[in-house]
Amino acid sequence: GESVGLHLPTLSVQEGDNSIINCAYSNSASDYFIWYKQESGKGPQFIIDIRSNMDKRQGQRVTVLLNKTVKHLSLQIAATQPGDSAVYFCAEIRSGGSNYKLTFGKGTLLTVNP
Amino acid sequence: NAGVMQNPRHLVRRRGQEARLRCSPMKGHSHVYWYRQLPEEGLKFMVYLQKENIIDESGMPKERFSAEFPKEGPSILRIQQVVRGDSAAYFCASSPEKDTSYEQYFGPGTRLTVT
Repeated sequence: GESVGLHLPTLSVQEGDNSIINCAYSNSASDYFIWYKQESGKGPQFIIDIRSNMDKRQGQRVTVLLNKTVKHLSLQIAATQPGDSAVYFCAEIRSGGSNYKLTFGKGTLLTVNP
Repeated sequence: NAGVMQNPRHLVRRRGQEARLRCSPMKGHSHVYWYRQLPEEGLKFMVYLQKENIIDESGMPKERFSAEFPKEGPSILRIQQVVRGDSAAYFCASSPEKDTSYEQYFGPGTRLTVT
């Protein structure tokens, strides 16, 4: 299950299970959201994105859900594999003049047990 | 097509020394962004540059930090008179010359340790 520790929230799942990683954002003016995966010692890697005029978007084994009413974003990973173990960050971009500045959430550490 | 390159990957400096971090964007990309990541935290925006121009440096500390992206060569993030609090991972990202600059591709980062 999911727990919130003193620092990074963690999620531990069994291989083959589905994972759901959650993110709350604060800026209602954000109009673009991205999920990044960061493996230990590496830079963030793009997973999937969604615009604010959508509430769901699917990729390969991943689905992003956006609930603008409660400013909540989630990433669902189907049939989680050991290679999915990483820290997952949501990031938002606000429309307007500074529509390039990624604002990252705190991150969730996903551990997949074989 | 090589990705975003950063060097060095690891950098150790004593307090008071200078740190220079380099970033070569992906081929064809002319927008560069620098972010800083403290342990167990998300990345925080520092500066956005295009060739020979600083577009937004609102995330840069007012003193000791500077960035450039010359016409030729990599982008440089320079930290003068480093202090222990500068220890972090510094990531560079790049995006192409088009309106959809939402896509940012990240390099592997430079891990700076100040002793």
